[in-house]
Amino acid sequence: DVKVTQSSRYLVKRTGEKVFLECVQDMDHENMFWYRQDPGLGLRLIYFSYDVKMKEKGDIPEGYSVSREKKERFSLILESASTNQTSMYLCASSSAGQGPETQYFGPGTRLLVL
Amino acid sequence: AQKVTQAQTEISVVEKEDVTLDCVYETRDTTYYLFWYKQPPSGELVFLIRRNSFDEQNEISGRYSWNFQKSTSSFNFTITASQVVDSAVYFCALSGMIKAAGNKLTFGGGTRVLVKP
Repeated sequence: DVKVTQSSRYLVKRTGEKVFLECVQDMDHENMFWYRQDPGLGLRLIYFSYDVKMKEKGDIPEGYSVSREKKERFSLILESASTNQTSMYLCASSSAGQGPETQYFGPGTRLLVL
Repeated sequence: AQKVTQAQTEISVVEKEDVTLDCVYETRDTTYYLFWYKQPPSGELVFLIRRNSFDEQNEISGRYSWNFQKSTSSFNFTITASQVVDSAVYFCALSGMIKAAGNKLTFGGGTRVLVKP
């Protein structure tokens, strides 16, 4: 079974803090993704990575950065947390096939920025 | 641009009733994939089905069935004889075939299903 783990289920931070969210997958997947989920908006893609050290902006990259130094690990960084970044953050991974491969998700991190 | 619309924000049913979740999509791609995911209260999205645009056959998996209608750009999901464990948020998603885009998924807003005993 594919296993995607995220470092924290719940996180409380203060405005202006630097926040790191970690994601690890154990299926040797090439692609990794970070989404945020907000009520009524579904999931929106922040960043994704299709290889080590490679990254692409998603739909809402502002205020975020990412790091992928190893294939199994993809980090999301909030350089200076703001209250509007309070959300549920979901990490996903998929293999790199000929077509869109199924993405497998981690349990999510609920981030509260005070 | 791609778009997925799930018009029903919340559906409440009594156990054993059938429930149908609507999903309407927009895309300019001629080849694309559609997905359904389930998000139980624990938070983790669980993959349910992937369907490519060339395959318009309906699919049944246990109590779950999917109706893909390319002519109306819809990919609806029915739970037959619902159970309390079906209570969750269900997401419909769309992906194009552009490899360079990293097979990005566009999600609908989700439909919360509440099954009462």
